[in-house]
Amino acid sequence: GESVGLHLPTLSVQEGDNSIINCAYSNSASDYFIWYKQESGKGPQFIIDIRSNMDKRQGQRVTVLLNKTVKHLSLQIAATQPGDSAVYFCADRDNYGQNFVFGPGTRLSVLP
Amino acid sequence: NAGVTQTPKFRILKIGQSMTLQCTQDMNHNYMYWYRQDPGMGLKLIYYSVGAGITDKGEVPNGYNVSRSTTEDFPLRLELAAPSQTSVYFCASSSGYEQYFGPGTRLTVT
Repeated sequence: GESVGLHLPTLSVQEGDNSIINCAYSNSASDYFIWYKQESGKGPQFIIDIRSNMDKRQGQRVTVLLNKTVKHLSLQIAATQPGDSAVYFCADRDNYGQNFVFGPGTRLSVLP
Repeated sequence: NAGVTQTPKFRILKIGQSMTLQCTQDMNHNYMYWYRQDPGMGLKLIYYSVGAGITDKGEVPNGYNVSRSTTEDFPLRLELAAPSQTSVYFCASSSGYEQYFGPGTRLTVT
């Protein structure tokens, strides 16, 4: 079956540095990907998405890169701030159209 | 808009008891989902619905039931609670792309 996974379970970065969180997916038919941020005790919150016909999308301080050749997705956070500390999940929409498969998440810790 | 609301926030059940987790959304979304999240893990899909009257199983449906009589509501029913159902439960809704999540229900079965 399809799966979405993350390369690193934890990531620590200095405040002000850039963060890169990676994600691998296995379903070559996946057509839509989302990054979510989950703060402690809260539900996941949408950050940014990208469709399979794109290889890069930018938001405010965040950029998502999609490499379909190697089935890899990454989230880049510029000038990481303490408020960015959270668990980040990637999710992949399956080829039936409406179900998302979530990876285990990466915990981002921002060091002062 | 309140978005997605879930009740209760916390619940402790004894083994064998039953309960219903409530989920309501006010965004007129057709798609609704129930996930569970175990400690340190990602979200696993329990059930989903593509519209009122239509539901389907996700990855981990055993021990749960759902109904979708209206667009707004998508309750999740646990009939015979087991310790393995101790988890945080999230409801989400979508118009077709990004999902909006509720704050979660933390359930403990002892």
